[in-house]
Amino acid sequence: GQNIDQPTEMTATEGAIVQINCTYQTSGFNGLFWYQQHAGEAPTFLSYNVLDGLEEKGRFSSFLSRSKGYSYLLLKELQMKDSASYLCAVMDSNYQLIWGAGTKLIIKP
Amino acid sequence: GAVVSQHPSRVICKSGTSVKIECRSLDFQATTMFWYRQFPKQSLMLMATSNEGSKATYEQGVEKDKFLINHASLTLSTLTVTSAHPEDSSFYICSARNDRDTEAFFGQGTRLTVV
Repeated sequence: GQNIDQPTEMTATEGAIVQINCTYQTSGFNGLFWYQQHAGEAPTFLSYNVLDGLEEKGRFSSFLSRSKGYSYLLLKELQMKDSASYLCAVMDSNYQLIWGAGTKLIIKP
Repeated sequence: GAVVSQHPSRVICKSGTSVKIECRSLDFQATTMFWYRQFPKQSLMLMATSNEGSKATYEQGVEKDKFLINHASLTLSTLTVTSAHPEDSSFYICSARNDRDTEAFFGQGTRLTVV
């Protein structure tokens, strides 16, 4: 079966760094996405990785290792507005998005 | 990024009535649109995938006669919840994609409350 695993909840301090991990087992791989979702709102796109390595975009970076079926989202200089759920999704061989359950990130002052 | 507009953002309806939700891609042609529902504190659940001009593909457990999906053009898909019941109350979100190699862009979501 297809499976995406990510922690249910994480807590971090304002100004710090946090890493949210995602492991996956899917039938085929056509890229991995990270989305941010604030409560009551639709998800917004953060990053897309299809090749191994680190993609940096401002305070957010995303890493992928296809051989390990592993990705992480790194958030630096955390701000209170970063409190949200972070969804990991993998596009399988049929180009369908398989979603993780999301990681709720709580930022404390 | 591309813009997907979903309407309405909130709707309250009486049990037994039908509700239509629209999803429009404003600046690109959406060959594929996805409809999700999301219960509180849960992840997105894919309901169906629709391709322009063809019938939608529904996920297992989703009643196609209850959740009618129409994707008549490359910029518009609609989801109609027929004979709504309180258990249909949920957050419904659409996303659209213009080809297989790009991300899916999300609409703003529709909060449906059936009373």
